[in-house]
Amino acid sequence: DTAVSQTPKYLVTQMGNDKSIKCEQNLGHDTMYWYKQDSKKFLKIMFSYNNKELIINETVPNRFSPKSPDKAHLNLHINSLELGDSAVYFCASSSQSREQFFGPGTRLTVL
Amino acid sequence: AQSVSQHNHHVILSEAASLELGCNYSYGGTVNLFWYVQYPGQHLQLLLKYFSGDPLVKGIKGFEAEFIKSKFSFNLRKPSVQWSDTAEYFCAVTPTSGTYKYIFGTGTRLKVLA
Repeated sequence: DTAVSQTPKYLVTQMGNDKSIKCEQNLGHDTMYWYKQDSKKFLKIMFSYNNKELIINETVPNRFSPKSPDKAHLNLHINSLELGDSAVYFCASSSQSREQFFGPGTRLTVL
Repeated sequence: AQSVSQHNHHVILSEAASLELGCNYSYGGTVNLFWYVQYPGQHLQLLLKYFSGDPLVKGIKGFEAEFIKSKFSFNLRKPSVQWSDTAEYFCAVTPTSGTYKYIFGTGTRLKVLA
């Protein structure tokens, strides 16, 4: 059984398009996260939701908008994609400050 | 501001060599500490964690880490590495209360030569 799943695994799109990445966890965790990992493997937190409430919103362009319809889901919508958005995006979940479980990642390539 | 430093960015070892990766953090309160591993093309997986108690913690695949509170350090060790340990290693900390913001180090790329 997959603990944290993301779709799609790969996303190739043109500049200016709008795209969404979906994330679901079946661990019963109350907190979910979005991270961006660049080509140098640096992991940067973007957003965090606790019980559907946004609790962390790092310095991320307004083009990025997270949505959490329920505790088990956290989606990421990106408007007007730019070349610099190319990266691997990881979803993660945790129960409060305990260990995080990561999804398989979504490799986004903007052409 | 909270931060995590991993001093070794690239490490190359031969099989059977011993490994120690450094991790230091900056935070004034109580933290939980973690080491994650990312194998090529995969997602991050938990290696080990420290919440409280014995400062020497053992994780999967023969890894261990020691929390030294006075030095704000949580170094990762393995007595004898294998080729399959080739991966990126991340140290992370999070406050035990508050917004549960995890701070990750910049990662250490380990390459083990067969």
